[in-house]
Amino acid sequence: QVQLVQSGAEVKKPGASVKVSCKASGYTFTSYGISWVRQAPGQGLEWMGWISGYNGNTNYAQKVQGRVTMTTDTSTSTAYMELRSLRSDDTAVYYCARVYAGSDYWGQGTLVTVSS
Amino acid sequence: EIVMTQSPATLSVSPGERATLSCRASQSVNSNLAWYQQKPGQAPRLLIYGASTRATGIPARFSGSGSGTEFTLTISSLQSEDFAVYYCQHYIKWPYTFGQGTKLEIK
Repeated sequence: QVQLVQSGAEVKKPGASVKVSCKASGYTFTSYGISWVRQAPGQGLEWMGWISGYNGNTNYAQKVQGRVTMTTDTSTSTAYMELRSLRSDDTAVYYCARVYAGSDYWGQGTLVTVSS
Repeated sequence: EIVMTQSPATLSVSPGERATLSCRASQSVNSNLAWYQQKPGQAPRLLIYGASTRATGIPARFSGSGSGTEFTLTISSLQSEDFAVYYCQHYIKWPYTFGQGTKLEIK
């Protein structure tokens, strides 16, 4: 069965960086892209960007462009999302999701807390 | 960027009744529209894709309709487990924006 398993919760100080992993299993990783979506406390879903599982091509939301880098390691079927220069408003649950007609499978979410 | 607008923000419906949720796109997305359900503390779950196709395992009481800029999610007879927040998302071009969500609550 398809599974996306994300890394654990993180607490970071303002200005720091965080890297969240998303390990895929149960399907051919290179046949699908991965989207990253975040959700601030009590808020809605915000699409952050997409990475191709095939060739690593990316597309980022303008709001995080310049601070975010999405990568993949096809040897381990793992996607990564690194966010730099963290601010308090980056505090959110970060989700990875397989892209197929929307997003059909989601990771469990990773809480990133930015606090001094 | 395509703006997705959902209405109403909150919908109060009694169990067993029908619920109708709306989603409007600021420009045509054809049928490249998905609906998700999210319960507290859980990841979103895909309900509908292609505007009207139920995802695997989704009960028949969930149906989607529309194309272009106007879309509807209908839940024909609400069960207790259906009370949640619902989001629409287009996937016609980057960025794949979401609506702000509709909270479906028990009346």
